[in-house]
Amino acid sequence: KAGVTQTPRYLIKTRGQQVTLSCSPISGHRSVSWYQQTPGQGLQFLFEYFSETQRNKGNFPGRFSGRQFSNSRSEMNVSTLELGDSALYLCASSRTGTNYGYTFGSGTRLTVV
Amino acid sequence: EDQVTQSPEALRLQEGESSSLNCSYTVSGLRGLFWYRQDPGKGPEFLFTLYSAGEEKEKERLKATLTKKESFLHITAPKPEDSATYLCAVQPGTGANNLFFGTGTRLTVIP
Repeated sequence: KAGVTQTPRYLIKTRGQQVTLSCSPISGHRSVSWYQQTPGQGLQFLFEYFSETQRNKGNFPGRFSGRQFSNSRSEMNVSTLELGDSALYLCASSRTGTNYGYTFGSGTRLTVV
Repeated sequence: EDQVTQSPEALRLQEGESSSLNCSYTVSGLRGLFWYRQDPGKGPEFLFTLYSAGEEKEKERLKATLTKKESFLHITAPKPEDSATYLCAVQPGTGANNLFFGTGTRLTVIP
């Protein structure tokens, strides 16, 4: 059974640029959540998508956005990158997002220089 | 405000030396408490979900327990391969599905 696949694994971008990260959930999982992980803050919730609709959003600026496609694959976009956006971005999928264990991908390591 | 605090931040154990990791939480209702293991450079790996006070779950050398205010992850006779960061997260009962994570306990098991 394939796990959650995130691409790319590593990215280096320059301040002011934008970036798009991709996540393919486990087959049959309709909920996809995104988290940002930094050494100082730990994992922080960005947003959750279910059936192509954003259900929840964390406390991040509008530069962070996402979407989900009909096949449940999801993308997140960060515009006007700042140095502080350097982090490990993790995607997690779940059947419904309610009371079930979330399966995480290996993440995309974003470095902003 | 929903909050999760894990202690200790780091723990070094000799192989075979049992210990416990603590996760205390404040949450608006509790739909579930999750334990994950994270190895360097990888995403968190799901270990357990606990739903109500008094519940216990076991997997190999790990046992998770839950009270109304905290959860413990007991590690019995750990091996070097148990070295990892252990993360605790809560899912509040107030509609949103997102998890609130603690900052983790970094466990090192010395042979």
